[in-house]
Amino acid sequence: GAVVSQHPSRVICKSGTSVKIECRSLDFQATTMFWYRQFPKQSLMLMATSNEGSKATYEQGVEKDKFLINHASLTLSTLTVTSAHPEDSSFYICSARDVKGRDTEAFFGQGTRLTVV
Amino acid sequence: GQNIDQPTEMTATEGAIVQINCTYQTSGFNGLFWYQQHAGEAPTFLSYNVLDGLEEKGRFSSFLSRSKGYSYLLLKELQMKDSASYLCAAMDSNYQLIWGAGTKLIIKP
Repeated sequence: GAVVSQHPSRVICKSGTSVKIECRSLDFQATTMFWYRQFPKQSLMLMATSNEGSKATYEQGVEKDKFLINHASLTLSTLTVTSAHPEDSSFYICSARDVKGRDTEAFFGQGTRLTVV
Repeated sequence: GQNIDQPTEMTATEGAIVQINCTYQTSGFNGLFWYQQHAGEAPTFLSYNVLDGLEEKGRFSSFLSRSKGYSYLLLKELQMKDSASYLCAAMDSNYQLIWGAGTKLIIKP
């Protein structure tokens, strides 16, 4: 299957700082990327859907000014958690959809564990 | 190493029952997830098992055996809308998700 690389896998930051998470499709072009958040032992929660060259669509309850998403190219999307607080500590995972894939399936990154101290 | 195995593709008939198996090897274990994904859409959560046994939720059931590193998703009374990919994912001791490649389920009338 196609490869999606998410970086960093772990990050610890101080409260009030910003953290950027990158999601790259390594061997395919992705028109759409999804960003998820997951708390321990719970299911993935879709945060937003981003399409290359346009604004992201945020799910209800997700603060767009706090979770900035940029999808500037067909291989890269970034999620920036601004002014992070301890309650933002979570597991963030991206997935990307192959623009050429016949089934247009989404492929997942490895996830980023964010800890805000 | 960490690994998830599930069949690439399965075919079943509308109204029938199908079982999708998943075996996993992870460094530690914090649960097994099943997701459904229709083509071009985000995956949707189906089930989560962390204890041995069967969890039933409507037409879908999920089973886990931790000692065998094995899980299955059972779909009953198959409907055409069940045609999708089914993703198995195991969570390791660091709460990292190890994903299977997905099983594409084709439902025939």
